Amino acid sequence: DQQVKQNSPSLSVQEGRISILNCDYTNSMFDYFLWYKKYPAEGPTFLISISSIKDKNEDGRFTVFLNKSAKHLSLHIVPSQPGDSAVYFCSWELQGAQKLVFGQGTRLTINP
Amino acid sequence: EAQVTQNPRYLITVTGKKLTVTCSQNMNHEYMSWYRQDPGLGLRQIYYSMNVEVTDKGDVPEGYKVSRKEKRNFPLILESPSPNQTSLYFCASSWTNQPQHFGDGTRLSIL
Repeated sequence: DQQVKQNSPSLSVQEGRISILNCDYTNSMFDYFLWYKKYPAEGPTFLISISSIKDKNEDGRFTVFLNKSAKHLSLHIVPSQPGDSAVYFCSWELQGAQKLVFGQGTRLTINP
Repeated sequence: EAQVTQNPRYLITVTGKKLTVTCSQNMNHEYMSWYRQDPGLGLRQIYYSMNVEVTDKGDVPEGYKVSRKEKRNFPLILESPSPNQTSLYFCASSWTNQPQHFGDGTRLSIL
């Protein structure tokens, strides 16, 4: 079974700097990883994804990097803004199965 | 406005009293799913449905039931709730192979 692990429960970054959120996975078989962002009292919202055939995907201030040999991916936010303060979940999806396996989440706080 | 609507948003109840959490989506999505979020565990899938009358167990289905009689609705049923089902619940929907849209959550407390 695929496991997704986010080993940092929290991260604090100064506004304008780079935020780097990390995620490790156990099973080499996957189709997509997705990052979701969650504000308090709201449901998670989709942020960015990466497929197994890519090493990098970029969308504005958000970039996800995939290192298949290390079974590791990371989300970079540059520059970090106060509105980025939220909980970020890394998740794995098997294409066609619509099954999401989530990590534990990392709470990102952007300080002014 | 495209949305996934859950009701109630908050509920405090007692052990053994049957309850239903409703979920409705207005995007004509085929796929719907229920998750629970617990501290330190992220979101875990309870049940999912690929289409009307097609449901299957997720990772933590014990103590829960679901039904999918209409495309837009996917209620979560707790026949005999227990305190270990105290959690934050999310419903989600999507087109096949597209990111899921989540509702705003239902916080259940079972005393």
